[in-house]
Amino acid sequence: NAGVTQTPKFRVLKTGQSMTLLCAQDMNHEYMYWYRQDPGMGLRLIHYSVGEGTTAKGEVPDGYNVSRLKKQNFLLGLESAAPSQTSVYFCASSYLAGAATQPQHFGDGTRLSIL
Amino acid sequence: GDSVTQMEGPVTLSEEAFLTINCTYTATGYPSLFWYVQYPGEGLQLLLKATKADDKGSNKGFEATYRKETTSFHLEKGSVQVSDSAVYFCALSDRPGRGGSYIPTFGRGTSLIVHP
Repeated sequence: NAGVTQTPKFRVLKTGQSMTLLCAQDMNHEYMYWYRQDPGMGLRLIHYSVGEGTTAKGEVPDGYNVSRLKKQNFLLGLESAAPSQTSVYFCASSYLAGAATQPQHFGDGTRLSIL
Repeated sequence: GDSVTQMEGPVTLSEEAFLTINCTYTATGYPSLFWYVQYPGEGLQLLLKATKADDKGSNKGFEATYRKETTSFHLEKGSVQVSDSAVYFCALSDRPGRGGSYIPTFGRGTSLIVHP
């Protein structure tokens, strides 16, 4: 059982380049989330989705876009990368049923550096 | 809004020492509470949870009790090992229909370093 898989694991970009981070889950979870983790800042929610075809902004959405065309996939896009977006990005997913009592399942992260 | 406050780290202990990591919360509803652990180079994974007052979550020797009267969910372990070195996150998730949402609120994390 793969759980939550993030692709790629590492990436180096130049300022202004674009890229897409892919998250895939095989647990049939309705909820999916994208976070960034920076030293001393904990986890900050970028965008989330409560189901296929729906997305919503989190705490720090600027500079990012997302899409949830299939239930099992949640894509995070950087249209024009900036050095401030250097971070570790985590995807997570969880069940809708009994949502408040359900834990999130996390991927192992994508380490992104913007030069 | 909801918030979670954890003690700042790093917490540095010798092997076999007793561990406490404090966590307090504020919530508009009646939340579920979670502890997650993050080992170096990995994502967060659930360590334990409690969904109602006075519940005790436990796993791998770690315990935490949901204290509604003190709005706390402190993590404890009687005898830590070097392999417990990691970052620990306290989190809450509010129940629906009480002004909360399904979006969890995380503390900033507490780094634990255990020396042999």
